[in-house]
Amino acid sequence: DAGVIQSPRHEVTEMGQEVTLRCKPISGHNSLFWYRQTMMRGLELLIYFNNNVPIDDSGMPEDRFSAKMPNASFSTLKIQPSEPRDSAVYFCASRSTSGRVSEQFFGPGTRLTVL
Amino acid sequence: DAKTTQPNSMESNEEEPVHLPCNHSTISGTDYIHWYRQLPSQGPEYVIHGLTSNVNNRMASLAIAEDRKSSTLILHRATLRDAAVYYCILIRAGTASKLTFGTGTRLQVTL
Repeated sequence: DAGVIQSPRHEVTEMGQEVTLRCKPISGHNSLFWYRQTMMRGLELLIYFNNNVPIDDSGMPEDRFSAKMPNASFSTLKIQPSEPRDSAVYFCASRSTSGRVSEQFFGPGTRLTVL
Repeated sequence: DAKTTQPNSMESNEEEPVHLPCNHSTISGTDYIHWYRQLPSQGPEYVIHGLTSNVNNRMASLAIAEDRKSSTLILHRATLRDAAVYYCILIRAGTASKLTFGTGTRLQVTL
């Protein structure tokens, strides 16, 4: 299995531009999570999906952020317009909900720099 | 969510055992204790989890106190590749397994 796939791995953009981060979860996993990591705030959950449905988006910082999961094998996190404070590493993770408690598998992350 | 407390950093010599402590005095009966680690420039990865009994897997061992208010992750022989930030996280059974990361323990391994 290829694991969780994220693209792009690095993104440099200018303030005000739209940014789209992509994630392909592990096949068969039915939960998907988006996290953000910064030096100041550490790792924080932005949103998670169960069976393609957004369950909890309380971690999404503001309306400039949106996430979608059109099918079980693809999710996007969009920032429009982007700001320098959005610079961070964004991780996608997936898990299977079979069983009481199961581990999350993380992708390699997308390092976003907003100039 | 119940909170966990870990030391900010620890050091170990290579080939020596490492005991990483975690306090979780407000843990509830259905909270599982999970450990994840994050190697430099990588996403977090699962290490081990347990509920009441001690657990072993190929990566590590988890020792859970009888009152469950603390636990210890044990790396039996640290290698340079074990240098990472280790996170102790409580996850309530039956929930969505959202991971709330604290600051973790940064483990340095030296020759």
